[in-house]
Amino acid sequence: EVQLSESGGGLVQPGGSLRLSCAASGFTFSTSAMSWVRQAPGKGLEWVSSISGSGHATYYADSVKGRFTISRDNSKNTMYLQLSSLRAEDTAVYYCAKEPVAVPGIFDYWGQGTLVTVSS
Amino acid sequence: EIVLTQSPGTLSLSPGERATLSCRASQSVSSSYLAWYQQKPGQAPRLLIYGASSRATGIPDRFSGSGSGTDFTLTISRLEPEDFAVYYCQQYDSSPRTFGGGTKVEIK
Repeated sequence: EVQLSESGGGLVQPGGSLRLSCAASGFTFSTSAMSWVRQAPGKGLEWVSSISGSGHATYYADSVKGRFTISRDNSKNTMYLQLSSLRAEDTAVYYCAKEPVAVPGIFDYWGQGTLVTVSS
Repeated sequence: EIVLTQSPGTLSLSPGERATLSCRASQSVSSSYLAWYQQKPGQAPRLLIYGASSRATGIPDRFSGSGSGTDFTLTISRLEPEDFAVYYCQQYDSSPRTFGGGTKVEIK
């Protein structure tokens, strides 16, 4: 059974930093591209960042480029998102999501999400 | 960036009725790289449809997707109580991947 579990969210001041983790199990992690998708309170979904199975290719939304860094450790079946220079508009539930090898670009499994609140 | 516009914003229907949700793209989505997700309150989204019309694993056949180019539709043939939720479309034709604003299907 595929399981994704995020952690690391919390309250942080504007300009601060946070590192989110996504622990994965139940599938071959190293062959699956992974992504982060966020949802501001009461709002819709926004793709944030993606990383290839090997970790060599990374992609970012313009809204977070230069401030967020995605990475993964395939030996630990874990993906990370380093959030820096945080702004109030980064407040959201951050979901990690798996992309199927056969259909890259969609998200076939999601974690339960971790809430990041940026406020003074 | 491809902008996806979903309509209506809210759909008020009774169990057993048919739901028709629309997703319109600001430019053509090639190869029908369009997916649909369902999200219930306090839960993560769940993949329903990909490739505009292919059901994901375990999705009941009352859910169907259609369309191409710029106009796509999600149809729920007969609403079950568990189908009342918010539905999002997403394009994966070009970067950045984008989602529509969502359609809430509520009990009338």
